[in-house]
Amino acid sequence: QSVLTQPPSASGTPGQRVTISCSGSSSNIGSNYVYWYQQLPGTAPKLLIYRNNQRPSGVPDRFSGSKSGTSASLAISGLRSEDEADYYCAAWDDSLSGHRFGGGTKLTVL
Amino acid sequence: QVQLVQSGAEVKKPGASVKVSCKASGYTFTGYYMHWVRQAPGQGLEWMGWINPNSGGTNYAQKFQGWVTMTRDTSISTAYMELSRLRSDDTAVYYCARGLAAAGRGWFDPWGQGTLVTVSS
Repeated sequence: QSVLTQPPSASGTPGQRVTISCSGSSSNIGSNYVYWYQQLPGTAPKLLIYRNNQRPSGVPDRFSGSKSGTSASLAISGLRSEDEADYYCAAWDDSLSGHRFGGGTKLTVL
Repeated sequence: QVQLVQSGAEVKKPGASVKVSCKASGYTFTGYYMHWVRQAPGQGLEWMGWINPNSGGTNYAQKFQGWVTMTRDTSISTAYMELSRLRSDDTAVYYCARGLAAAGRGWFDPWGQGTLVTVSS
């Protein structure tokens, strides 16, 4: 069972806005940055969001991250078919002295 | 451009060891931590630990302590991850990923292409 909790699946139609939640605790999300990774089918994960809400260059502004207390969320607006992927949240955990990932959310574009 | 290129797929018998390499290019190898993450078939991501290529210092996830060894060769900008006493449930894709910021606590970018390790008798 993952330290960070994500819904196993999410879905939306093209053009819609979808949010994916990530719930943690005071030792991880509550006291450290949250990161989000996108994993397209059959490929390596790719950084999507760092430091809670920062986008690396090349990531469209349709992707946004936020954090409040011990929870975080990833929002994808203007959903496109190429957004169909697995999304993982991650954070450093002070109690475990290590990085932890959420279980991943499979996003389906209907 | 920054790139991490990993060694090829491996097939190992239970009880054996495997050593995966990760060659870095496009940046100063000793300037960034290198992390290892694995993903079992159809499963999520699992962080294994990091190595500081500058000092050789390591930090392993508790689950892997005594079982994984991370090393580096700065002369060829390559990091290694060796896992011993392999079991069938170690079958997974193993990724290396460059760590950014915060002495090992930061984010991972980029990731290597992954190395499939299959453990089967």
